[in-house]
Amino acid sequence: DAGITQSPRHKVTETGTPVTLRCHQTENHRYMYWYRQDPGHGLRLIHYSYGVKDTDKGEVSDGYSVSRSKTEDFLLTLESATSSQTSVYFCAISVRAGTGYGYTFGSGTRLTVV
Amino acid sequence: AQTVTQSQPEMSVQEAETVTLSCTYDTSESDYYLFWYKQPPSRQMILVIRQEAYKQQNATENRFSVNFQKAAKSFSLKISDSQLGDAAMYFCAYRATQGGSEKLVFGKGTKLTVNP
Repeated sequence: DAGITQSPRHKVTETGTPVTLRCHQTENHRYMYWYRQDPGHGLRLIHYSYGVKDTDKGEVSDGYSVSRSKTEDFLLTLESATSSQTSVYFCAISVRAGTGYGYTFGSGTRLTVV
Repeated sequence: AQTVTQSQPEMSVQEAETVTLSCTYDTSESDYYLFWYKQPPSRQMILVIRQEAYKQQNATENRFSVNFQKAAKSFSLKISDSQLGDAAMYFCAYRATQGGSEKLVFGKGTKLTVNP
């Protein structure tokens, strides 16, 4: 199984402060994703990456930026956190599963902005 | 844009009985993948089952099976012999590909309660 870890697992921060969440994979999978999960909305894509320094926006990218300077790390930054960014954040990677595709998720980060 | 719709925000089932969760999707692609994920209170995302659109045979994994109707763009999940451990949020997802990139698009989820 592809190893994927997120850090931190929980974080409380104040409005207006910058926050960075980290996603780390132990293999060289090309695609990495950041989602946020909110009640009644399912998981919504924030940003994704298809290679080192190659990133693109998802459906809810406003207020977020990402960076991928190494294959194994994908960082999500909230430049100035707001209460609307209180959410659970998931990182995911796309993996080949036999002749097809699958997706592996990190354990999630619960972020509270007060 | 591809969309995924789960019309049942909540469902309940008696232990040992069968329940079906609905999912429809919208796409213009002919070849794609569909998934069902389970999310228990631990919030871990667990793959339940996967279906490749080019395969006519419905996927099955032990007590879990799907009814894939490609023309109707429907992808329902059937859970047989429901167990207390099946209680969770269930998400239907579609693997979207466009412009050479790929991403997973989710429905809003169905909360399944299993009653003893």
